[in-house]
Amino acid sequence: DQQVKQNSPSLSVQEGRISILNCDYTNSMFDYFLWYKKYPAEGPTFLISISSIKDKNEDGRFTVFLNKSAKHLSLHIVPSQPGDSAVYFCAASSAGGTSYGKLTFGQGTILTVHP
Amino acid sequence: KAGVTQTPRYLIKTRGQQVTLSCSPISGHRSVSWYQQTPGQGLQFLFEYFSETQRNKGNFPGRFSGRQFSNSRSEMNVSTLELGDSALYLCASSEGTTGGYTFGSGTRLTVV
Repeated sequence: DQQVKQNSPSLSVQEGRISILNCDYTNSMFDYFLWYKKYPAEGPTFLISISSIKDKNEDGRFTVFLNKSAKHLSLHIVPSQPGDSAVYFCAASSAGGTSYGKLTFGQGTILTVHP
Repeated sequence: KAGVTQTPRYLIKTRGQQVTLSCSPISGHRSVSWYQQTPGQGLQFLFEYFSETQRNKGNFPGRFSGRQFSNSRSEMNVSTLELGDSALYLCASSEGTTGGYTFGSGTRLTVV
């Protein structure tokens, strides 16, 4: 039962253009969503997050959009840079109870930004 | 501020042996979570400790265990290693409330 899904295994974009990475979830108890970037043999690096009370959060070149009714979130990177090439993971959590410390991850999307 | 430190970075063990991995969280962080990353299963939650108590556990067999010390440092132990335990083991720390988690660089365990 995959509660967080990233349906695109890979994405290729040109430098300077927009990268849009998508994520769907099924568990309506999730109320906090995060995006991480990961290089091989390293731990994930936190990029940006959004609480379920919001529908948009911006941080520099990164914007996350949340559509609760569709159980969908997306990460926009504008403009894309070659250094953004990495695996991007969407993750979700819910407050308290049996969910302490638990992030549920998607399978990841490999982003390649071409110069 | 120092990040999350995991030791060792690489480890090779033989089937049937046991292994202990260590994680030092960011100073002031009281929650430590452990994850296993494999190519087939992705990132999967193992367990979480907060103030020396296990608060949550994932769907892993009892061979996987952990503990947390009074200084918030955490150890993870895997007994009777199997080939399928080969993975990148990641530790993450947070202040303990819902929010972001900072990950360490991981320990790459290879079981032969």
